[in-house]
Amino acid sequence: QSALTQPASVSASPGQSITISCTGTSSDIGAYKYVSWFQQHPGKDPKLLIFDVNIRPSGISDRFSGSKSGNTASLTITGLLADDEADYYCNAFTSSFTHVFGTGTKVTVL
Amino acid sequence: EVQLMASGGGLVQPGGSLTVSCAASGFSLSSYWMHWVRQAPGKGPEWVSRINQDGSMINYAESVKGRLTTSRDNAKNTVFLQINSLRADDTGVYYCVRDLREFNYWGQGTLVTVSS
Repeated sequence: QSALTQPASVSASPGQSITISCTGTSSDIGAYKYVSWFQQHPGKDPKLLIFDVNIRPSGISDRFSGSKSGNTASLTITGLLADDEADYYCNAFTSSFTHVFGTGTKVTVL
Repeated sequence: EVQLMASGGGLVQPGGSLTVSCAASGFSLSSYWMHWVRQAPGKGPEWVSRINQDGSMINYAESVKGRLTTSRDNAKNTVFLQINSLRADDTGVYYCVRDLREFNYWGQGTLVTVSS
């Protein structure tokens, strides 16, 4: 199972919006609604932002939203803040009953 | 308070074996799927294994299949990961993770270093 494909980096200014894509196949993202997104600051554990494609856990800002179209899932961050500067990873359930993470995207707030 | 404490990491020679444990507190382990996720230095997380609530269903990533064994002891609120035939690319922090969806919680990982 190959890692899901994400852009290596995305950058934007404070207040702007960004979208991070996560491309898989018809055996993972395209097959199920089980896509999660995690944020990881340097030296910290990953933090769940989105599960089941577009559901935010309690306590997660509504500036974070998720979506999916075909074999590609997306995470959108609106009103970018300095604290959003971090690495972001998608994760999907697969038809082999395994999970797979994305390659990761480094978000830089200019 | 929910806690997941991994232990058992350390320096291991190539070809050796290691068992990592993860003790849960503040919740009942028996109610959740548990996952093992590892992260090599400077790299992203890699999913390696999952085990269902009663241990009757276990899945492994293709990259580790045949060398890893995941198990759990719900009475002791603990999950285990045994790694055999350790290689340099097994080096990383090993996390036990409760659920990857709504009830997600990451424990404190344990560092496994494979080197001679």
